[in-house]
Amino acid sequence: NAGVTQTPKFRILKIGQSMTLQCTQDMNHNYMYWYRQDPGMGLKLIYYSVGAGITDKGEVPNGYNVSRSTTEDFPLRLELAAPSQTSVYFCASMTSTDTQYFGPGTRLTVL
Amino acid sequence: GENVEQHPSTLSVQEGDSAVIKCTYSDSASNYFPWYKQELGKRPQLIIDIRSNVGEKKDQRIAVTLNKTAKHFSLHITETQPEDSAVYFCAARTGSQGNLIFGKGTKLSVKP
Repeated sequence: NAGVTQTPKFRILKIGQSMTLQCTQDMNHNYMYWYRQDPGMGLKLIYYSVGAGITDKGEVPNGYNVSRSTTEDFPLRLELAAPSQTSVYFCASMTSTDTQYFGPGTRLTVL
Repeated sequence: GENVEQHPSTLSVQEGDSAVIKCTYSDSASNYFPWYKQELGKRPQLIIDIRSNVGEKKDQRIAVTLNKTAKHFSLHITETQPEDSAVYFCAARTGSQGNLIFGKGTKLSVKP
């Protein structure tokens, strides 16, 4: 199993640009999550999904959108990028015993 | 909603010493408390977890204790080694469908 994979690893955006962060898991987990990690601030939940076709907002959803058309994929869309969205983004999926497996992360810089 | 406070923010110990990281939570309905280790530039990885029906759990050199009355839980690492150096995050979850709320992390440095 590849586990949770994310692309790209790094990206630099200009203010106002848009992009999609990709996340795929091959463990057939229903629950998937998107977090952002700012220095010294821990992990903040952006959006989550409990299964294909079902998504919901987390703590910090503003400026982001998600979709979940398949069990495997959970892309995160940034519209009109702002400097405040500079962060490291982690995708995760969760087992039936509550363990969350994280992807390798995407480091995003908005200039 | 749930709030998780983690202390200390940084911790430096000598190799072989013990390290203790403490977290408090606000929601008495929280029932699952995992600890994650994140090495520099890497993803967070689960190292141990505890549920609200258990007071203590051990796995080799690491242990977690839970005090539901006081609403705090702690990570204990014994016989620390340089490879234990990392940032450690605690988290709490409320209810079976609840999401994890993370503490801000503790940077542990183990000096040889």
